[in-house]
Amino acid sequence: QVHLQQWGAGLLKPSETLSLTCAVYGASFSDYYWSWIRQSPGKGLEWIGEVNHSGSTKPNESLKSRISMSVDTSKKEFSLRLNSVTAADTGVYFCARGQSSIWGSGHYYYMDVWGEGTSVTVSS
Amino acid sequence: DFQMTQSPPSLSASVGDIVTITCRASQSINGHLNWYQQKPGKAPEVLIYAASALRGGVPSRFSGSGSGTDFTLTISSLQPEDFGTYYCQQTYSTPWTFGQGTKVDIK
Repeated sequence: QVHLQQWGAGLLKPSETLSLTCAVYGASFSDYYWSWIRQSPGKGLEWIGEVNHSGSTKPNESLKSRISMSVDTSKKEFSLRLNSVTAADTGVYFCARGQSSIWGSGHYYYMDVWGEGTSVTVSS
Repeated sequence: DFQMTQSPPSLSASVGDIVTITCRASQSINGHLNWYQQKPGKAPEVLIYAASALRGGVPSRFSGSGSGTDFTLTISSLQPEDFGTYYCQQTYSTPWTFGQGTKVDIK
């Protein structure tokens, strides 16, 4: 049974750095891209970016200047750092696995396993 | 970025009803469209990928269709456990983007 367990600080002050980690259980770490997604009342679901086992990243350009994503393959963990947070970064942050499947003649991609979410509040 | 527009924003239906949710992409996404269900306080769960492929374990009352820019999620016979918010997502081009969601209530 594939399971993602995530953790990180839930209360931050403006200008601080958000740091989250997600551990992978029951699945290969090297065969997938691993995503971060956040959800806020104002912006709905927003894909932050993804990273693979070699540390190759695909960031959302809208956040690229503030985010860094990394992996620890020995622990099967991946992490997100978002610096200079503001109230607009308040929300629930999810980690997720990106799954590629064949359907018909094409390859298709979706998030098939998600962490439980971490609620992050930015407030002075 | 590819903008995803869902309608309606919310709906209320009775058990046994047919429910249809639509999703429109700002440009053609070549069938790279996923549907998720989210219950309150939980993470989204994928129901359908590639516009019409039912993920294993998902009840057959859920179906997806569409191509180009216009897609539909249909629940053929609404069940009490189908309440929640439904989101479409395109994975044709990064950044992957989601629709704003359709909240489904059971009358």
